[in-house]
Amino acid sequence: ETGVTQTPRHLVMGMTNKKSLKCEQHLGHNAMYWYKQSAKKPLELMFVYNFKEQTENNSVPSRFSPECPNSSHLFLHLHTLQPEDSALYLCASSQDGIAPGGTEAFFGQGTRLTVV
Amino acid sequence: KNQVEQSPQSLIILEGKNCTLQCNYTVSPFSNLRWYKQDTGRGPVSLTIMTFSENTKSNGRYTATLDADTKQSSLHITASQLSDSASYICVVRPRSNYQLIWGAGTKLIIKP
Repeated sequence: ETGVTQTPRHLVMGMTNKKSLKCEQHLGHNAMYWYKQSAKKPLELMFVYNFKEQTENNSVPSRFSPECPNSSHLFLHLHTLQPEDSALYLCASSQDGIAPGGTEAFFGQGTRLTVV
Repeated sequence: KNQVEQSPQSLIILEGKNCTLQCNYTVSPFSNLRWYKQDTGRGPVSLTIMTFSENTKSNGRYTATLDADTKQSSLHITASQLSDSASYICVVRPRSNYQLIWGAGTKLIIKP
């Protein structure tokens, strides 16, 4: 295990549903990330939190809403999603998100989301 | 535009054989380059990291090389095992900021 836990592992939701993805890290890291991974495409960075403050929002639609109550927990709230939002959503953490020296990111196992 | 291109997109080899995966990037200047292994249904796990001044880095049967002049990196897997079946992703960190540039990965299948 990497020390980053995501729940649920799988989620099927209708386009009118509201659901939340949860991520928890036990590594004492200060930065947490949400990534979207679609088939045969590079990982897409969605949000970055440093010391609980959101520092990046890569033009993500408002139907995705992140929440970081503390440096160990990260949520992604979902509402009125579209079928094209179906993907693997990965949470990651690193010691320091702003260090240019190459801080390693540790990933959770992901939530496989299917929007029907 | 900063980009990372990986080839081949997928590869099937027999157990015990060697293989080499390629990564070409346009990110310049860059801080470091990582190779990640992603098993099916799991998140990526770092295999190696190289700075722009390093040419090679090994991790067991995995050896990564870097040619900063041609902006190419390769990941060589020796004596492949069934557990090597996974996607291998090349990631470059630009020196100007901390946002990573991810490749789409190479899906490697090892057959017995």
